[in-house]
Amino acid sequence: EVQLVESGGGLVQPGGSLRLSCAASGFTFSSYWMTWVRQAPGKGLEWVANIKQDGSEKYYVDSVKGRFTISRDNAKNSLYLQMNSLRAEDSAVYYCATRWILDDWGQGTLVSVSS
Amino acid sequence: EIVLTQSPGTLSLSPGERATLSCRASQSISKSYLGWYQQKPGQAPRLLIYDTSSRATGIPDRFSGSGSGTDFTLTISRLEPEDFAVYYCHQYDGSPRTFGPGTKVEIK
Repeated sequence: EVQLVESGGGLVQPGGSLRLSCAASGFTFSSYWMTWVRQAPGKGLEWVANIKQDGSEKYYVDSVKGRFTISRDNAKNSLYLQMNSLRAEDSAVYYCATRWILDDWGQGTLVSVSS
Repeated sequence: EIVLTQSPGTLSLSPGERATLSCRASQSISKSYLGWYQQKPGQAPRLLIYDTSSRATGIPDRFSGSGSGTDFTLTISRLEPEDFAVYYCHQYDGSPRTFGPGTKVEIK
């Protein structure tokens, strides 16, 4: 059974940083593209970033380019999202999901950016 | 960027009725790289349909997807009580990937 468990969310001041993690199990993590998707409170889904199996390709939505970095550690079956220069509009539940088709999702971790 | 528009914004139907949800793309989506997701309050989204018309594992056959180019449809043949939720389309053809704004299917 595929399991994705996000962690690392919390309350941070504008301009601050957070590192989100996604622990994966139940599938061959190193064989899958992985994706981060976020959802602001009461709003729709927003695709944030994805990363190729070996980490050689990474793509981002324009609003986070230069501030967020997606990475992975296949030895630890883990996906990460380093978030710097956080803004109020980055406040959301952040989900990790598998592959391009997003066939499995974690339960999400809440990031709140506020002073 | 491929912009996805979903209609209607809200669909009010009764259990047993047929639901037809539309997703329109601002430019053609090649290789049918479009999916549909269901989300209930407080839960993560769940994949229903991928590659326009393929049902994900465990998804009942009352859910079907169709379309091509810029126009795509999710059909729920007979609504069950558990189907009342928000539905999102998502394209994974262009970069960045994008989602539609969602269609809420509510009980009439």
